[in-house]
This record gives sequence, C-alpha cells and structure tokens, in this order.
Amino acid sequence: DAGVTQSPTHLIKTRGQHVTLRCSPISGHKSVSWYQQVLGQGPQFIFQYYEKEERGRGNFPDRFSARQFPNYSSELNVNALLLGDSALYLCASTFSRFEPNTEAFFGQGTRLTVV
Amino acid sequence: LAKTTQPISMDSYEGQEVNITCSHNNIATNDYITWYQQFPSQGPRFIIQGYKTKVTNEVASLFIPADRKSSTLSLPRVSLSDTAVYYCLVGLLISSGSARQLTFGSGTQLTVLP
Repeated sequence: DAGVTQSPTHLIKTRGQHVTLRCSPISGHKSVSWYQQVLGQGPQFIFQYYEKEERGRGNFPDRFSARQFPNYSSELNVNALLLGDSALYLCASTFSRFEPNTEAFFGQGTRLTVV
Repeated sequence: LAKTTQPISMDSYEGQEVNITCSHNNIATNDYITWYQQFPSQGPRFIIQGYKTKVTNEVASLFIPADRKSSTLSLPRVSLSDTAVYYCLVGLLISSGSARQLTFGSGTQLTVLP
C-alpha cells in the first residue's frame, strides 16, 4: 500500500523563479495539507485542501498557492522565489477534514534550495 | 491553539527508558495530545495520541495527568535508531474551525548513545 508520495525529492531553483511541487495522498484520503520546514525548526502549516477546496491557510504570502485535483492529488506553487523559501516542503494526507484524532500521514518531502 | 513547551534536547543510552515531558498549560477541553517523530530529511511520523490517563501502543506510552496540563512520552529500551526529533502537539483544529492544522513547536532532539 503506497504512502504519501511527493515529487521531486530535491530541487534547486534560482531567485525569482517559480516552482511546482506535487503530492499524491494515500488512496482514499481526501484531505491534503502542505507544510514548510526550515532547517532546525518544526513544520509550519501552509495550506489544507479538502474535496478540492482550500479549507485553511497559514501565515504565508500570496506567492504561495496550491490546488487539489479530482483524484485528490495536490500541487503547491511558489512564485518569485526568495532565498528564504529554501526548506523541506512536506505534504500530509488525512482521510477526513475535522476529526481531531485522525492520524496525519506525511510524505518524505521535497527539499527546495533557492540560490 | 495551546502552546507546548518541551526540552530542546535529551541524551540517553541504548537500552534505557526515555521520558520526554511536554507542558501545555492552556490545553482546551476538546484538545487531544499527539506525538510525532521525525528523522532528518523525512516527514514526521505519528507515534501516539491520547486524551487522558495512559495510552500504550507497540512503540511508546503516553502518560497524561488528570489536569492534562502536561504529558510524558515514554520510549522503552531505546536504540540508536530512536535518535530523532520528537514533537508534542496539542489541539488539532484552528480557532475558525474551518481547517485541520497541525501546529509544531521546535521539538526535542533525542540522541541515543551506544
């Protein structure tokens, strides 16, 4: 049974470029969330999508956007990259949107380096 | 969301029991307590979750006192492969109730020594 898969695993971009990161949730999971993890810190919430709609947004600029497709996979887009966007980007999937005792499953992440 | 406080780092030796305590003085009535483990360059992995008293699974135990203002993750007989960052999370719904957000602190770096 496949877990959460993210692609690519590593990426190097230059300042000002844009990037698209992809995530496939566990089969049957309808909710996908994105997190940014800067080195030495815990993951920070960026977005949650459920049933193809944005359901939550963290404190990130409008350069960050995302979408969820009918098959529940998701893309995270970041425009006008800054050096500070260098981080591990994590995708988490859950079956439902609300239940607090639902385990979130994380992918391996995409390591983005902006130079 | 309830803020959590946990030690920045801990060292232990193989075979010992490790207890990591997390403080969450402002925990709300409906909040659960969840612990995640993260290895370098990997996503966090769910360890255990509880609401009150004691919860045990195949990898850990979680002790929660009656006032629920703290919790202790207990790892029995740790091995070198348990070296990781451990996060304590409390409260899984943001205040608006429209999203399910996990709020991570800085975690506890556990280093298991041979």
